[in-house]
Amino acid sequence: GNSVTQMEGPVTLSEEAFLTINCTYTATGYPSLFWYVQYPGEGLQLLLKATKADDKGSNKGFEATYRKETTSFHLEKGSVQVSDSAVYFCALSRIKAAGNKLTFGGGTRVLVKP
Amino acid sequence: ETGVTQTPRHLVMGMTNKKSLKCEQHLGHNAMYWYKQSAKKPLELMFVYSLEERVENNSVPSRFSPECPNSSHLFLHLHTLQPEDSALYLCASSQVGTGVYNGYTFGSGTRLTVV
Repeated sequence: GNSVTQMEGPVTLSEEAFLTINCTYTATGYPSLFWYVQYPGEGLQLLLKATKADDKGSNKGFEATYRKETTSFHLEKGSVQVSDSAVYFCALSRIKAAGNKLTFGGGTRVLVKP
Repeated sequence: ETGVTQTPRHLVMGMTNKKSLKCEQHLGHNAMYWYKQSAKKPLELMFVYSLEERVENNSVPSRFSPECPNSSHLFLHLHTLQPEDSALYLCASSQVGTGVYNGYTFGSGTRLTVV
């Protein structure tokens, strides 16, 4: 079956530091890959996505590249801000699969200190 | 505002109460989902409705009863809950079957506390 593994947190960083959150997946076929972010007290928001190998998703200074050879979709940001403190979820979905069910990783909490 | 609205945002209920959570989406999507998010646990998919038909029920206790009267509305009816049911309940919607998939859009959730 499909599964997503992401690094456990919490990840604690200083402002302007470089952030990497690792995500690897197991899936049959050609899944779409997503990163969602959850700010305190809120639901999940789509941060970025990639639908095929070598695609790079980007948004709000975050980037992730779909690496089929390593089955990975690591999230990076070059200079984090306090406002980036949140929980980040990696997820995958099979394209055109019935119900298009998303499979989520366990989430990684990121805390950025001033 | 994501286009998926959940009410109420917070709910405190006793174990003998009956209450309902409501979710409404204004995105024209044709699938809706209920998730449970508990502290220090992975997101748990509870129910999936696609084209108003329940297509997935992940061994959820019968004290949780979903209802999807149309493609824009989803309810979760609660009765005789236990303290361990206290959690953030998230609703999401998506568009399926079009070949272009943009993932789920989530609501802000209902924070449920069972006392």
